[in-house]
Amino acid sequence: GQQVMQIPQYQHVQEGEDFTTYCNSSTTLSNIQWYKQRPGGHPVFLIQLVKSGEVKKQKRLTFQFGEAKKNSSLHITATQTTDVGTYFCAGPRTGRRALTFGSGTRLQVQP
Amino acid sequence: DAGVTQSPTHLIKTRGQHVTLRCSPISGHKSVSWYQQVLGQGPQFIFQYYEKEERGRGNFPDRFSARQFPNYSSELNVNALLLGDSALYLCASSLVMEGGRDGYTFGSGTRLTVV
Repeated sequence: GQQVMQIPQYQHVQEGEDFTTYCNSSTTLSNIQWYKQRPGGHPVFLIQLVKSGEVKKQKRLTFQFGEAKKNSSLHITATQTTDVGTYFCAGPRTGRRALTFGSGTRLQVQP
Repeated sequence: DAGVTQSPTHLIKTRGQHVTLRCSPISGHKSVSWYQQVLGQGPQFIFQYYEKEERGRGNFPDRFSARQFPNYSSELNVNALLLGDSALYLCASSLVMEGGRDGYTFGSGTRLTVV
């Protein structure tokens, strides 16, 4: 079945360093969404990308959707302690509309 | 406006028992999805309802069932609980089934522990 994988599983950075997480789908996606889950919390929607090669920015966060619409990335510039959490990508299930979530990348930021 | 509300927040059940989890979506949202999240993993899709009809089911046994009511609230039922059912159960509401540009809004979840 459809699989959405993320790498790395875990990243520990010093505050001020950059961070990138990569998302790869086994199938072409009509769109990709990114969510952030703080420790002990629930996933919170960040953004949706729809077009091939699309790039969107939210302050220090940059999101990209691959040309083949099978991969995506999230880049955080100059991390802050408030960026701590697990970042998930999610895409519509094959032939369905509910989302398949990736395995997530847990980010730890050292002050 | 209230967000997505789930009840109860925490629950401890014994193996073999039955549990009912409840979710009220954001006002105006007609799509409700249920996800199971085991510690350290991403949310796993269980069910999706839209306009009171089941629109999708994940790879979960028949012990799991759900329904959506006329007011768009939803219940998730799990029968014959197993230890492996211990997890955070998340409800997500959205305007459109795939989330759209506003994505899914998740509730705070129900933490189920089976002992």
